[in-house]
Amino acid sequence: DGGITQSPKYLFRKEGQNVTLSCEQNLNHDAMYWYRQDPGQGLRLIYYSQIVNDFQKGDIAEGYSVSREKKESFPLTVTSAQKNPTAFYLCASSSQGLSSYNEQFFGPGTRLTVL
Amino acid sequence: QQPVQSPQAVILREGEDAVINCSSSKALYSVHWYRQKHGEAPVFLMILLKGGEQKGHEKISASFNEKKQQSSLYLTASQLSYSGTYFCGTEDGSGNTGKLIFGQGTTLQVKP
Repeated sequence: DGGITQSPKYLFRKEGQNVTLSCEQNLNHDAMYWYRQDPGQGLRLIYYSQIVNDFQKGDIAEGYSVSREKKESFPLTVTSAQKNPTAFYLCASSSQGLSSYNEQFFGPGTRLTVL
Repeated sequence: QQPVQSPQAVILREGEDAVINCSSSKALYSVHWYRQKHGEAPVFLMILLKGGEQKGHEKISASFNEKKQQSSLYLTASQLSYSGTYFCGTEDGSGNTGKLIFGQGTTLQVKP
């Protein structure tokens, strides 16, 4: 079955540590996205990538980093510079990233808690 | 700038209708609608493009008023499965970026 997988489902981090969230898709989609969701809030875009080896900052990129070395993978690193990283992180992908006519498919999410 | 959704929350009985609105201060190229159940990933419902094109589920309808920079999602004859939080995502400018800005969400609860 095609889809998007995120791991781990739950992640606990101590203050000052970097952590990497995994996102893999086998939908052959060009574009991939990372969102952050806080309780009772909408989705805020962290980073997005429309093609391999290229990515752009979203609205809240500070304290985060990404890479896009392969089409199917778009890992997100939450660095120690992110002051309030506890949140629900969602990865999404869409085909033909330069077209607005394509829905985004979301992964199941990773819930990150900083202890 | 984040689009504004209204109402923030609505409670319905099965079979009743609801309208959820999404309003932006910017000229929009497209509006996407998603539904999210608690603790789960958002699921695609509808895309509306400037110029009138639409793509979405048969039982979901929506409108897009380009001049007013508004979109509305119409839920008719609601079912228990319609419960969840509805988000609109807007794309401004000339489009072709796929970059969406999401509203804060509208929580819908359908009761038997």
